[in-house]
Amino acid sequence: GQQLNQSPQSMFIQEGEDVSMNCTSSSIFNTWLWYKQDPGEGPVLLIALYKAGELTSNGRLTAQFGTTRKDSFLNISASIPSDVGIYFCAGLLSGNTPLVFGKGTRLSVIA
Amino acid sequence: SQTIHQWPATLVQPVGSPLSLECTVEGTSNPNLYWYRQAAGRGLQLLFYSVGIGQISSEVPQNLSASRPQDRQFILSSKKLLLSDSGFYLCAWSNTGGNTIYFGEGSWLTVV
Repeated sequence: GQQLNQSPQSMFIQEGEDVSMNCTSSSIFNTWLWYKQDPGEGPVLLIALYKAGELTSNGRLTAQFGTTRKDSFLNISASIPSDVGIYFCAGLLSGNTPLVFGKGTRLSVIA
Repeated sequence: SQTIHQWPATLVQPVGSPLSLECTVEGTSNPNLYWYRQAAGRGLQLLFYSVGIGQISSEVPQNLSASRPQDRQFILSSKKLLLSDSGFYLCAWSNTGGNTIYFGEGSWLTVV
């Protein structure tokens, strides 16, 4: 089955630093989604990407849909303590196929 | 606007007891519905998904079952819980043919 490799698994950064994480796949996707999960809560959608090469921002977050359709990255600029959580990438081939999730990147921000 | 709600939020159940988790979606029609499980500190595992009433696809053989008795209602059940069923269960929805999935608040299940 399809698999997503998400890296890094975890990150410890100083407040104010920029963060970058990425996902790669052995097969193509037509949609890439990035979620953030706070402890004990459901994942919340951060950014959705629907077109190869698309670059989309949401506040301090920027994500890109790779031109090969097999990868995506998420950048967080000027991190703050509330950025702490687990970030998941997810790929979707079509509307009636299940999402494929990465294993998550656990972000810790040191004030 | 669309909302998704699942309950109960937490429950502690003895081994061998039954389980019923319920999820409802408001503000949309004929959504795709999903049940995911997340073990502590782990990724998301798709358990079941449904594209319509009475249509259930199972992704992983297990001790659980799902039902969709109404268009916007999705139920996760078990007749006899195992210790390994403990985890964080998430319901999710997307529009038919949609390419964005939204999650509920999650339900913590501890089997003792």
